[in-house]
Amino acid sequence: LAKTTQPISMDSYEGQEVNITCSHNNIATNDYITWYQQFPSQGPRFIIQGYKTKVTNEVASLFIPADRKSSTLSLPRVSLSDTAVYYCLVPMLSSGSARQLTFGSGTQLTVLP
Amino acid sequence: DAGVTQSPTHLIKTRGQQVTLRCSPKSGHDTVSWYQQALGQGPQFIFQYYEEEERQRGNFPDRFSGHQFPNYSSELNVNALLLGDSALYLCASSGRGGNTDTQYFGPGTRLTVL
Repeated sequence: LAKTTQPISMDSYEGQEVNITCSHNNIATNDYITWYQQFPSQGPRFIIQGYKTKVTNEVASLFIPADRKSSTLSLPRVSLSDTAVYYCLVPMLSSGSARQLTFGSGTQLTVLP
Repeated sequence: DAGVTQSPTHLIKTRGQQVTLRCSPKSGHDTVSWYQQALGQGPQFIFQYYEEEERQRGNFPDRFSGHQFPNYSSELNVNALLLGDSALYLCASSGRGGNTDTQYFGPGTRLTVL
């Protein structure tokens, strides 16, 4: 069964770096890994996307090892407004060669003052 | 440039009824995906539409059906509603189905089944 796993929750203090890892046991070969941020009662908001190695944009970095069985979202110097649920979205192989877009279980990040 | 829009924002139905939710994709996008998000859980993939056809489907019963129109907008239909269908229904749009396409989400429709 295709499955993604994330820590349920994490706490951090303002100004610290936060790393959230998603494990995916059956990722489709040629597809990208995407991370989203979601606030209560809102749709997920795109953060970053990558295929392998390291990707960086103005808000985050994404680290993907060579086997692509996991990915780590890194948020530098978090602030109170970064308190949200963070999801990885991974195209997983289901029956046969079919791909199924699969969200991770989500990580509730709480940033403390 | 309008992002993904969904209507209605909230909806209350009773068991056994049918519901139709609507989605307009982001400008320039032609692929629409639908997700169900129960309270406290991650979004679950329902299906994806491209060129007016269902291209991928998640583990949802046939009570869940959809449609995509020539202007790329989409509808999600749910028949014979159950209490367990209460959830936030999210629509996401993306470009021409490539492996690098990023999905952009709408604000969702909150469906409550009584």
